[in-house]
Amino acid sequence: EPEVTQTPSHQVTQMGQEVILRCVPISNHLYFYWYRQILGQKVEFLVSFYNNEISEKSEIFDDQFSVERPDGSNFTLKIRSTKLEDSAMYFCASSYGEETQYFGPGTRLLVL
Amino acid sequence: GQQLNQSPQSMFIQEGEDVSMNCTSSSIFNTWLWYKQDPGEGPVLLIALYKAGELTSNGRLTAQFGITRKDSFLNISASIPSDVGIYFCAGPTIIQGAQKLVFGQGTRLTINP
Repeated sequence: EPEVTQTPSHQVTQMGQEVILRCVPISNHLYFYWYRQILGQKVEFLVSFYNNEISEKSEIFDDQFSVERPDGSNFTLKIRSTKLEDSAMYFCASSYGEETQYFGPGTRLLVL
Repeated sequence: GQQLNQSPQSMFIQEGEDVSMNCTSSSIFNTWLWYKQDPGEGPVLLIALYKAGELTSNGRLTAQFGITRKDSFLNISASIPSDVGIYFCAGPTIIQGAQKLVFGQGTRLTINP
């Protein structure tokens, strides 16, 4: 069964460093998403991406964040200068259209 | 913005018991989703509801979409240890054809064997 994959599973970084989180969505899906879950809290929407551009972003997704689909399979989330409060699980998701989203296993980011 | 409120926040039950959890919204959703999250994993879709009043089952799981489209419940019958986890309700808002999911805060289920 096709699934969304994410790498790395864990990332530890120093405050101020740049991180890139990588995702491989399900191959025939057209819509891609990033969500964040701070420890013990609910899952929060960050950004959606379609047709090589951002279609929607939340107030969390400020200028420090960017997304890219550099090739036909990868979808990345970059945090330019990490802050302590960026520590969270980051989930990638994909969907074919106006249908249910399928989530990856997440990347746990710890900013020290 | 739209908010989903889940209750209870946590449940401690004995193996074999039935479980019921609820989700309410401040606004109408056209689709209602229930996800389960195991520790350290991403949310996994359990049930999707598309019509008001719809009752849908997936094995031991049953979910209903409220008539007003502002609430839903999820029932688990005869719970087993692997049912442990956090259950989230989620509702999509459609922006330019793409869903943006709004999640509830989750119901954490713990099962005593």
